[in-house]
Amino acid sequence: EAQVTQNPRYLITVTGKKLTVTCSQNMNHEYMSWYRQDPGLGLRQIYYSMNVEATDKGDVPEGYKVSRKEKRNFPLILESPSPNQTSLYFCASSLSGTAGGEQYFGPGTRLTVT
Amino acid sequence: KNQVEQSPQSLIILEGKNCTLQCNYTVSPFSNLRWYKQDTGRGPVSLTIMTFSENTKSNGRYTATLDADTKQSSLHITASQLSDSASYICVVSYRSNDYKLSFGAGTTVTVRA
Repeated sequence: EAQVTQNPRYLITVTGKKLTVTCSQNMNHEYMSWYRQDPGLGLRQIYYSMNVEATDKGDVPEGYKVSRKEKRNFPLILESPSPNQTSLYFCASSLSGTAGGEQYFGPGTRLTVT
Repeated sequence: KNQVEQSPQSLIILEGKNCTLQCNYTVSPFSNLRWYKQDTGRGPVSLTIMTFSENTKSNGRYTATLDADTKQSSLHITASQLSDSASYICVVSYRSNDYKLSFGAGTTVTVRA
């Protein structure tokens, strides 16, 4: 089944403890992106990747890191999480090499930083 | 300031009725505009995608319209069903940077029996 998977789905952690949220797609998509969703603000783009070893900042990249060493994986790294990073995170991928194509979203990761 | 504004923020309709959601954007020039449906706790799912040269696009009971001159789009839901209860998000991509997207905050639709 074609899909985007994220792990973990739920995570509660403490301030400053490094964490990684994994994202994987099995559709051979070139474009992948990370978003956070907060009440009243909608989805905001954190980072995106046009292809392997090609990433760029979105609108809210502060406090996050990403890497794209393989086409199928696009992990999101929080080196030192803070409470303001408590949010619902979505990974998405698109067949085309741009955001213009239809994006397929993962199921989301709900992160709580205390 | 958000470049994509949606209205209303929420609405309640009776099953079987129609409704229209609005999206105004300032992204210019833009590449395409899309509408997503997001069920509570799940990832958004694409409903329609329109390029700047298209005026309307349908997907079953969902019809999206686009007026690139006034920078407005609408999503019309016909004969609503309980399963239409969700958040509907308007998204615009930049022609200058086709890797970035600008999202509206969404309209929450509740369909009641």
